[in-house]
Amino acid sequence: EDQVTQSPEALRLQEGESSSLNCSYTVSGLRGLFWYRQDPGKGPEFLFTLYSAGEEKEKERLKATLTKKESFLHITAPKPEDSATYLCAVQAHAGNNRKLIWGLGTSLAVNP
Amino acid sequence: ETGVTQTPRHLVMGMTNKKSLKCEQHLGHNAMYWYKQSAKKPLELMFVYNFKEQTENNSVPSRFSPECPNSSHLFLHLHTLQPEDSALYLCASSPPGLAGEETQYFGPGTRLLVL
Repeated sequence: EDQVTQSPEALRLQEGESSSLNCSYTVSGLRGLFWYRQDPGKGPEFLFTLYSAGEEKEKERLKATLTKKESFLHITAPKPEDSATYLCAVQAHAGNNRKLIWGLGTSLAVNP
Repeated sequence: ETGVTQTPRHLVMGMTNKKSLKCEQHLGHNAMYWYKQSAKKPLELMFVYNFKEQTENNSVPSRFSPECPNSSHLFLHLHTLQPEDSALYLCASSPPGLAGEETQYFGPGTRLLVL
């Protein structure tokens, strides 16, 4: 069964304290892995799409990496405005290609 | 307006009411989606429309009725809802299903409370 597991469920960091969020997945042929950021009461905001193992993408303090079974979202020197829930989703080659399998997210709090 | 917009942003309705949620995308995409987001659950896909045709109905109760008059507009008609239907309803859109162009972009959501 295709599934996505994100860890930790919640993470509290001090400003400037770098860390990583994990997204482990099992899917019958990965078509794409997506990272989103969601602020309370708002819709998910797209961050990155990764397609193949070894791929990396960066945006400001965020860097996403992908292996054959997991993805990491590295946050370097976070600021309080990075506080949000980070969602991971995967898209499989088989079946309905437009259906994403979502994780429960990691709630990140960055203290000043 | 840019991106994906949703109205209303907040909605309170009784179980006997009928209301509609509206979504509009200004991205030139051809696919549109309705999702339900509840606490402690992953996003639940409800409906998918591709070029105005419904391509996915994820076993959604008939009290939710989608409508897609064109590739830019999507509605979700609600009637005789239950309290457990209270959630954040999200609309998303995506470009044609070509590799590298399938990212879904979300609207701000409608927070629905059913009393």
